[in-house]
Amino acid sequence: DQQVKQNSPSLSVQEGRISILNCDYTNSMFDYFLWYKKYPAEGPTFLISISSIKDKNEDGRFTVFLNKSAKHLSLHIVPSQPGDSAVYFCAASENGGATNKLIFGTGTLLAVQP
Amino acid sequence: DTAVSQTPKYLVTQMGNDKSIKCEQNLGHDTMYWYKQDSKKFLKIMFSYNNKELIINETVPNRFSPKSPDKAHLNLHINSLELGDSAVYFCASSGPGGNEQFFGPGTRLTVL
Repeated sequence: DQQVKQNSPSLSVQEGRISILNCDYTNSMFDYFLWYKKYPAEGPTFLISISSIKDKNEDGRFTVFLNKSAKHLSLHIVPSQPGDSAVYFCAASENGGATNKLIFGTGTLLAVQP
Repeated sequence: DTAVSQTPKYLVTQMGNDKSIKCEQNLGHDTMYWYKQDSKKFLKIMFSYNNKELIINETVPNRFSPKSPDKAHLNLHINSLELGDSAVYFCASSGPGGNEQFFGPGTRLTVL
């Protein structure tokens, strides 16, 4: 019963173009969403987040869009750089809950070609 | 100035053995976590401690026992290791609010 899904295991993009990574969720109680980036042999690092009261959050080259009615979020990276090549995990939580339990998707491997 | 550190980075052991993984954070966070990433790359929470108190305990076998001697440390002890325990184990910590979690580099456990 996977509550957070990333249906694209991999994505290849040319340097300078836009990368769009997608994530779907099933639990309507989720109200906070995060993207993490992971390089090989390292732990995930926080990238950007969005609360369910917003539909967009931007931080430099990274923008996260949230469509609550579709239970879908996406991460846009513009322009993509070779150093962005990593696995990107989407995560969700019930922020109003007593615990800080993050539910992760299975990740999308992004390869940015020079 | 590592924020969240884990030791060891790699652990290879035989079935039936008992092993421990240590985690330390120097961020001053009150909450610490253990996650398991299995062979399918699925990252799933196992435990969470807040100020040395257990607050999340997912359906993890009793062979796994976390211990938090103080709020900067959360160790994971595994008894009677099984083949299916082979995975990468990540420690994490978070401050107030808790959603933004900081992860350690992971410990790759291989059970032979």
